[in-house]
Amino acid sequence: DADVTQTPRNRITKTGKRIMLECSQTKGHDRMYWYRQDPGLGLRLIYYSFDVKDINKGEISDGYSVSRQAQAKFSLSLESAIPNQTALYFCATSDLTSGSTDTQYFGPGTRLTVL
Amino acid sequence: QKEVEQDPGPLSVPEGAIVSLNCTYSNSAFQYFMWYRQYSRKGPELLMYTYSSGNKEDGRFTAQVDKSSKYISLFIRDSQPSDSATYLCAMTTSGTYKYIFGTGTRLKVLA
Repeated sequence: DADVTQTPRNRITKTGKRIMLECSQTKGHDRMYWYRQDPGLGLRLIYYSFDVKDINKGEISDGYSVSRQAQAKFSLSLESAIPNQTALYFCATSDLTSGSTDTQYFGPGTRLTVL
Repeated sequence: QKEVEQDPGPLSVPEGAIVSLNCTYSNSAFQYFMWYRQYSRKGPELLMYTYSSGNKEDGRFTAQVDKSSKYISLFIRDSQPSDSATYLCAMTTSGTYKYIFGTGTRLKVLA
């Protein structure tokens, strides 16, 4: 089974709808992240969480919110979806080990289309 | 100017060729350098990471960092069609979560 799973894998929705993307991990990592990927712009950080009670905005958090329900679960919500939120969304996890960097491991992604 | 620049490609090479993928960066504080491989409709997969300057080898892959030139490279020897993917560079300062990603180079290895 995959270490980082995301649901749904594909979603088409309409402008103004609320949508939730979910991420679960079995790696036992404390840190979890949400990114979006757009052609020509690369991966950009939306939100990150270092543990259940520590949630922080990334560089492009406007229009998004998150919930860390447990160490293993981190959800991303679009309160009122708009077409320019059409993108690939990735969840990632990491576990900072002493003497090393914060290596991030990615889920398979959710392709979201907002009409 | 972007902090990390990466040629988007596509780069097409024949099977068996040596491939060179590159990124340049502007922030001299970056200490850790990563290469991710992303197949179509999949998430990025960590290939290699390197600390500071120097080379690191893993099978057919070699990662090289030249901090004086702010330039990193990934070499793939004896390239295979299965290496066809988008390759993303990423970098970060010491011990931080904040990765800066390149936009990715699309590689096609032709059989």
